[in-house]
Amino acid sequence: GAGVSQSPRYKVAKRGQDVALRCDPISGHVSLFWYQQALGQGPEFLTYFQNEAQLDKSGLPSDRFFAERPEGSVSTLKIQRTQQEDSAVYLCASSPEYEKLFFGSGTQLSVL
Amino acid sequence: GESVGLHLPTLSVQEGDNSIINCAYSNSASDYFIWYKQESGKGPQFIIDIRSNMDKRQGQRVTVLLNKTVKHLSLQIAATQPGDSAVYFCAEDRSAGGFKTIFGAGTRLFVKA
Repeated sequence: GAGVSQSPRYKVAKRGQDVALRCDPISGHVSLFWYQQALGQGPEFLTYFQNEAQLDKSGLPSDRFFAERPEGSVSTLKIQRTQQEDSAVYLCASSPEYEKLFFGSGTQLSVL
Repeated sequence: GESVGLHLPTLSVQEGDNSIINCAYSNSASDYFIWYKQESGKGPQFIIDIRSNMDKRQGQRVTVLLNKTVKHLSLQIAATQPGDSAVYFCAEDRSAGGFKTIFGAGTRLFVKA
């Protein structure tokens, strides 16, 4: 596709449930990022991949959060044992080099 | 994190007027700055960028000004249109030490017809 694609668009989970969020970056983009955006706030950095290597995961809030990009293309953000405070929009972005980010529309996660 | 508060600063302008959105960045080591526009239900969209060796850059109807002395960025939108209504974020990055774009607090722009 022409842009970054994220699925699902919306996800409702019961507290304690595991969820997996998918990101399809723009073809050929080396860099991939995950951000978390709470209502009314700016995106907060979670993690960064260059190809399949996860170079920075300093923003992941706890060990319940795990991200992977095994073949250097599609990425999955997994959240185990979801909590209410995990409710947010999860944004994925890709970039060809060290420059501007191209964002998907995000996955809105609601934990009940 | 870098984001602050639940209540975004708001700027309301008349259609056709010029808009100026300001941003203070936090890291003196940042050398790349970007403005993003975010419409409801969408991800942020790139508007314009500037590197630290410049103090001004112009695009189509937009201009970014960088003042490194006081760590301040501004985005100027000429002849503001209803389609410019959105939340605007400034972001900073460092080319050394990894790639980690950090977003500032957003500003909500309302354009009155």
